[in-house]
Amino acid sequence: QVQLVQSGAEVKKPGSSVKVSCKAFGGTFSRFAVSWLRQAPGQGLEWMGGIVPIFGTTAFAQKFQGRVTITADESTSTAYMDLSSLRSEDTAVYYCARERAYYDDTSIGYYPDAFHIWGQGTMVTVSS
Amino acid sequence: QLVLTQSPSASASLGASVKLTCTLSSGHSGYAIAWLQQQPDKGPRFLMKLNSDGSHFKGDGFPDRFSGSTSGAERYLTISSLQSEDEADYYCQTWGTGIQVFGGGTKLTVL
Repeated sequence: QVQLVQSGAEVKKPGSSVKVSCKAFGGTFSRFAVSWLRQAPGQGLEWMGGIVPIFGTTAFAQKFQGRVTITADESTSTAYMDLSSLRSEDTAVYYCARERAYYDDTSIGYYPDAFHIWGQGTMVTVSS
Repeated sequence: QLVLTQSPSASASLGASVKLTCTLSSGHSGYAIAWLQQQPDKGPRFLMKLNSDGSHFKGDGFPDRFSGSTSGAERYLTISSLQSEDEADYYCQTWGTGIQVFGGGTKLTVL
């Protein structure tokens, strides 16, 4: 059974950056896309972007382009999300999620699918 | 533009059935969606992937009380024999070329 385990809560100052990790236990890490999402207090879910680890292919929501970096380390089965220029509105729970689609050697690109397996969430608080 | 629309709230009595709706924007009626359940103070959980033809793949641990169906641009989640633990937020999710989209969520109250 695949499990995603995220790093712990963070408190950051406005203008700084935060890096959250998501380590996969069990299953095949590289051939499934991992996305990052967030949920502000009392709000709905928002997709930030994703990565296909085996190809390093990334895709981002327009809102976050230029401010978020998503990487993956196949050797440790870990995905990372780095968000810069933090502001108070970035206070949220950040989730990683593995998508259902399996990427074989011919499926270069990002082919979105349902978010099948979720991490437990990481609270990021931005406050001066 | 790919958009999902959900009613903000729904309610039904313990033991009854409820049907939640997720509507795809015009021109996108052939899209699959996923339903996610988020219980209070917990993270989201994959409930099912629902294809445009009504076929679906359900997530681990969800009983047969949870079922999905489709009609045109509408995607439905029906929960029968409601139990107290079904009280949760239910989100629908879909995807297009290089993007992921969520509905606003429906808060289900079990009376």
